[in-house]
Amino acid sequence: IAGITQAPTSQILAAGRRMTLRCTQDMRHNAMYWYRQDLGLGLRLIHYSNTAGTTGKGEVPDGYSVSRANTDDFPLTLASAVPSQTSVYFCASSDGGLDTGELFFGEGSRLTVL
Amino acid sequence: AQKVTQAQTEISVVEKEDVTLDCVYETRDTTYYLFWYKQPPSGELVFLIRRNSFDEQNEISGRYSWNFQKSTSSFNFTITASQVVDSAVYFCALDTGGGNKLTFGTGTQLKVEL
Repeated sequence: IAGITQAPTSQILAAGRRMTLRCTQDMRHNAMYWYRQDLGLGLRLIHYSNTAGTTGKGEVPDGYSVSRANTDDFPLTLASAVPSQTSVYFCASSDGGLDTGELFFGEGSRLTVL
Repeated sequence: AQKVTQAQTEISVVEKEDVTLDCVYETRDTTYYLFWYKQPPSGELVFLIRRNSFDEQNEISGRYSWNFQKSTSSFNFTITASQVVDSAVYFCALDTGGGNKLTFGTGTQLKVEL
C-alpha cells in the first residue's frame, strides 16, 4: 500500500531556479494539501485542494503555486526559489468534506535553496 | 484567527515514567476538531487522535490518553509508562473550518531515556 508518494525526497536548489515537488496518492481521496515544516514553527498550510479542479490558499501561499488536474496528483511549484523556502514539505490527503477524519501524510521532501 | 500553543519545547523522561504533553488552543468557532500527531525520528507524521468540539469525553488507547477540557481550551496528551519508542516530536493541531486545513502547534520533543 503506497498511500502518498512524494518526490524528490531531498533536493538542493540554486536560488532563482524553478522547482516542482510531486505528490501522488492512491487512496482516491478528494482533498489534498501541502504543508511546510520549519523548526520552531511547526507545520503551516501552503495550499490545498478540496477536489480535483479546485485549489485554495493556506496560511503561507506566497511564492508557491499548485494545480489539481486529477484526483491523484497535486504538484507544488516554486516559480523562483528563494532561501526562505528552505524547508521540509509534506503532502497530505483526506477523504474531504466537513467531517474529514484522518489526514494522511507523505514522507516529506527536504528542500534546500542556496 | 486560531492558534495552538504547545509551551513545552522539549521534555525528557526516564522510561516507565508517565508524561503529559500540554496543548492549549484558541478559536472563536463553536465547531472545531483537535488532533494529535506523532513525528518519530524517521520524519513521517503519524495520526494519533481526532476529537470534535462537542465530544468532551476523555479517551484512552492503550498507554495513551487524552484530556479535552473546553473550559480551559486544552487538549492534553498523556503517555503512561513511557517507552524509548515514544521518543518523537508530538504536534497538536486545530481545524476550525472543517476540511482538515489544520493549524499546528510548534511541537513538543519528547525524549525517553533508559
